[in-house]
Amino acid sequence: DAGITQSPRHKVTETGTPVTLRCHQTENHRYMYWYRQDPGHGLRLIHYSYGVKDTDKGEVSDGYSVSRSKTEDFLLTLESATSSQTSVYFCAIRPTSGVTYFGPGTRLTVT
Amino acid sequence: AQRVTQPEKLLSVFKGAPVELKCNYSYSGSPELFWYVQYSRQRLQLLLRHISRESIKGFTADLNKGETSFHLKKPFAQEEDSAMYYCALSSGGGSNYKLTFGKGTLLTVNP
Repeated sequence: DAGITQSPRHKVTETGTPVTLRCHQTENHRYMYWYRQDPGHGLRLIHYSYGVKDTDKGEVSDGYSVSRSKTEDFLLTLESATSSQTSVYFCAIRPTSGVTYFGPGTRLTVT
Repeated sequence: AQRVTQPEKLLSVFKGAPVELKCNYSYSGSPELFWYVQYSRQRLQLLLRHISRESIKGFTADLNKGETSFHLKKPFAQEEDSAMYYCALSSGGGSNYKLTFGKGTLLTVNP
């Protein structure tokens, strides 16, 4: 599993509430990514990080923010959850081997 | 902008039949291409990477730069191959190795 964990694994929340998802890696890799997976869209990049405090936007970043204060943790925050953010969220890391590895996913439902 | 196209959303074959999942890409640089597989409600797993030229679980894929394709093939499909398959393109170090995914092909292998 490349030492990647995500928490929580499942969450149901109400529209308008803030939500934070956590990605944790055990091997101190530089690159970390947040993707969302939706039927008919595949996986789309939300935000990514190339080091502590170094982050940038991906393809679908509106309504999301991230933080990386430690190498091992990459947090994704939905500032005010909307129903369109109901999705499965995957964290990923990229070691120097050149292969991107994915976490187990977080299934988020916004009611 | 880079793009990955998987023209088939669904593909259904019988056990023992050959299977080909199509992937076309557009990218201005030298592409690095991957196939990922996702079994039901699990994390994405790397299946193939074009530079390794391996055969994994009987699957092969050849990069055709002239046709900008990276089709996935297996001569004899098995029921356990039923899964979602994603083709992905890496943007390289200058773009922090972000992956761009196709929308995926759901393969069903019938007994």
